[in-house]
Amino acid sequence: NAGVTQTPKFRILKIGQSMTLQCTQDMNHNYMYWYRQDPGMGLKLIYYSVGAGITDKGEVPNGYNVSRSTTEDFPLRLELAAPSQTSVYFCASSLGQSRDSNEQFFGPGTRLTVL
Amino acid sequence: RKEVEQDPGPFNVPEGATVAFNCTYSNSASQSFFWYRQDCRKEPKLLMSVYSSGNEDGRFTAQLNRASQYISLLIRDSKLSDSATYLCVVSSNDYKLSFGAGTTVTVRA
Repeated sequence: NAGVTQTPKFRILKIGQSMTLQCTQDMNHNYMYWYRQDPGMGLKLIYYSVGAGITDKGEVPNGYNVSRSTTEDFPLRLELAAPSQTSVYFCASSLGQSRDSNEQFFGPGTRLTVL
Repeated sequence: RKEVEQDPGPFNVPEGATVAFNCTYSNSASQSFFWYRQDCRKEPKLLMSVYSSGNEDGRFTAQLNRASQYISLLIRDSKLSDSATYLCVVSSNDYKLSFGAGTTVTVRA
């Protein structure tokens, strides 16, 4: 049981390039999330999904896109990378909505630098 | 105003000491409360949930004060391994979490 896995671990992009951050969970969780964490700041929600085929914007969605074609996978797409997108990106998943099942499990993160 | 605010610290304490810190939240409709732990350059992990009556997990005690809208975490008999950033996390009626920026604790030998 690998939990939540993310690839790549590190990436350097040039301004204007695009890339996809991969996220996979093997816990059969319905809910998946993408966060970014800037130094000294709390995690900010980019996008989330409540199940396959359903996605919604979080607090900071601009410059990103997501898809959820399967329960397991929730890739995050960056189009036209900008220096402001330099951050650590965490993917997370949770089982459901009740208080006892909303613990979020995080992947190890992707450290992205845009130059 | 930030939804969840924390004293960033750092709190530097000797081994064996007790350290306590709070966080405040702005949404009075918040229903669920948590402390997550984040080690340097690692992902956050759930430390404990916080219940209305307060709860304890070994050396860790969490308290919730709904009237004043704050949550506290107390660590007794600090260990070197307790050095980390502690994230205060709050949730409203749904499954989305709001994270504080974290309180850094450093335990020295």
